[in-house]
Amino acid sequence: QKEVEQNSGPLSVPEGAIASLNCTYSDRGSQSFFWYRQYSGKSPELIMFIYSNGDKEDGRFTAQLNKASQYVSLLIRDSQPSDSATYLCAVNIGTTGSYQLTFGKGTKLSVIP
Amino acid sequence: DAGVIQSPRHEVTEMGQEVTLRCKPISGHDYLFWYRQTMMRGLELLIYFNNNVPIDDSGMPEDRFSAKMPNASFSTLKIQPSEPRDSAVYFCASKAGGSYNEQFFGPGTRLTVL
Repeated sequence: QKEVEQNSGPLSVPEGAIASLNCTYSDRGSQSFFWYRQYSGKSPELIMFIYSNGDKEDGRFTAQLNKASQYVSLLIRDSQPSDSATYLCAVNIGTTGSYQLTFGKGTKLSVIP
Repeated sequence: DAGVIQSPRHEVTEMGQEVTLRCKPISGHDYLFWYRQTMMRGLELLIYFNNNVPIDDSGMPEDRFSAKMPNASFSTLKIQPSEPRDSAVYFCASKAGGSYNEQFFGPGTRLTVL
């Protein structure tokens, strides 16, 4: 069973702090990694994707990938109350050319004003 | 541009009834995905299509579930007969052609089977 694991949280951080969300995956052959944000009662919204080892920055968001450790993380700088949501890690698992995404169960983030 | 469109947004039905969920992908997207989300199991892929052809249906839970994509702008997910354990939020997502796998989700259909 190819799995994606996340700490369910809740993760509480004060406004303005850095929130760090982590994800591990079991399939060493995975090639692409995604972070989705899901507000309560809403659909998942893609916020970041990363394909290569290292860091990728987009505004207040930084995705970090370490394929050797099978670990991907999302950092949110200057956290705002509007960042309060569940963050889903998704991994493209499967054979080359497969577009099957396997999702973790998500980490609930709460940013305290 | 309009995003992925799903209908109905909410469906309440009784056990044993047929349920049909509908999806219109983003115009120009070649891939369409059906997912189911529950508290227990999270977000799971049921089936996906490429150019209207089913590619991977290994996530379809059983024969009561079927999906079709008769053209590039429309897909259905049918459950017949429905059971209470089918209660979930069903999402449709689409992506453009090419090797990148950025998928964009519709608003979902919340299904309740009594």
